[in-house]
Amino acid sequence: EAQVTQNPRYLITVTGKKLTVTCSQNMNHEYMSWYRQDPGLGLRQIYYSMNVEVTDKGDVPEGYKVSRKEKRNFPLILESPSPNQTSLYFCASSLSNTGELFFGEGSRLTVL
Amino acid sequence: AQSVTQLGSHVSVSEGALVLLRCNYSSSVPPYLFWYVQYPNQGLQLLLKYTSAATLVKGINGFEAEFKKSETSFHLTKPSAHMSDAAEYFCAVSEGEVPNNLFFGTGTRLTVIP
Repeated sequence: EAQVTQNPRYLITVTGKKLTVTCSQNMNHEYMSWYRQDPGLGLRQIYYSMNVEVTDKGDVPEGYKVSRKEKRNFPLILESPSPNQTSLYFCASSLSNTGELFFGEGSRLTVL
Repeated sequence: AQSVTQLGSHVSVSEGALVLLRCNYSSSVPPYLFWYVQYPNQGLQLLLKYTSAATLVKGINGFEAEFKKSETSFHLTKPSAHMSDAAEYFCAVSEGEVPNNLFFGTGTRLTVIP
């Protein structure tokens, strides 16, 4: 089954404790992206990747890192999480360059 | 810069009634426009997209949207609401240089009343 898989789906952590949210897609998509969803703000793009070893900042990259060492994986790294990074995170991928994104089911992160 | 505005964060309709969700965009060039739907505890999925081939776009589950350049609008409609349509709907516009980079509106939560 074609899918984008995120882990963990739920996480409660404390300020400053490094964490990684993994994202993997099995559709051989070149493009991948991370969004955060906050009430009243919709989805905002954090980082995106056009292909392996090619990443770029989105609208809200501060406090986040990403890497793209393999086509299928695009992990999101929070080196020192803070409470304002409490949010619902979505990974997405796309085969074509037409805006048709496939989304994972989301990772709800709470930073205390 | 691209942006979209969704009027109404919450919309309630009766089952069988017309669904109308509003979206206005801001773009200096003809954009790609999208509607995505998010069911509870799920990721977003594409409902329909406009890419300039036709101004009236038909999507899944009986939804359609009409692109009106003069009004810079891309409103989503469905003639008859079903209980299963209850979800959050997001309008999005793509950035020109990287079409996969979408700018999302703030979303409209649709409630369907039995």
